[in-house]
Amino acid sequence: GAVVSQHPSRVICKSGTSVKIECRSLDFQATTMFWYRQFPKQSLMLMATSNEGSKATYEQGVEKDKFLINHASLTLSTLTVTSAHPEDSSFYICSAQKGGPSTDTQYFGPGTRLTVL
Amino acid sequence: AQSVTQPDIHITVSEGASLELRCNYSYGATPYLFWYVQSPGQGLQLLLKYFSGDTLVQGIKGFEAEFKRSQSSFNLRKPSVHWCDAAEYFCAGGGNRDDKIIFGKGTRLHILP
Repeated sequence: GAVVSQHPSRVICKSGTSVKIECRSLDFQATTMFWYRQFPKQSLMLMATSNEGSKATYEQGVEKDKFLINHASLTLSTLTVTSAHPEDSSFYICSAQKGGPSTDTQYFGPGTRLTVL
Repeated sequence: AQSVTQPDIHITVSEGASLELRCNYSYGATPYLFWYVQSPGQGLQLLLKYFSGDTLVQGIKGFEAEFKRSQSSFNLRKPSVHWCDAAEYFCAGGGNRDDKIIFGKGTRLHILP
């Protein structure tokens, strides 16, 4: 199988602080990882695509200075929400992919529930 | 523009009844299509995927989906649902040259006892 973990599963923080979320592919190397945001009862919205060793590609409307993504190794990507505000409260889900869509698919982590007070 | 549409926001079926969840796509070439299931507060689990070949795809948990190019559809089916199938179901698709996949808005499945 292909297992992706996220840590933490839940985090509560004060407004103005920064929060780091980790995404790990446990049993495979992920050339590409994706970060999604899901609002209550809504679909997943792609935030950014990260390839190991290079800068992340952000979707239109996503502030790259606010949502810092690092993909330092083939098994780890991190999303840091800087200076978090209540409107950043959401469910953040990462996925990891071994290859392109023609050869593989995205395997999703269990998600991280962020609550900003 | 590329898109994935799930026309039904909610579907309610009785336990033991058959199920069909609709998904339509809009892509120029043959897309890569997926169905995922999400239980409350959980991540997404892949049910099945279609890249090419046989248009009837078998997945986990007794699900199947059929790719119909003429109808631009990739509907998910199950002959007999169980109470534990109650969840949110997402159809997703990607283009040939783009690693990004687009998700439909999801269909919430309710099961009546």
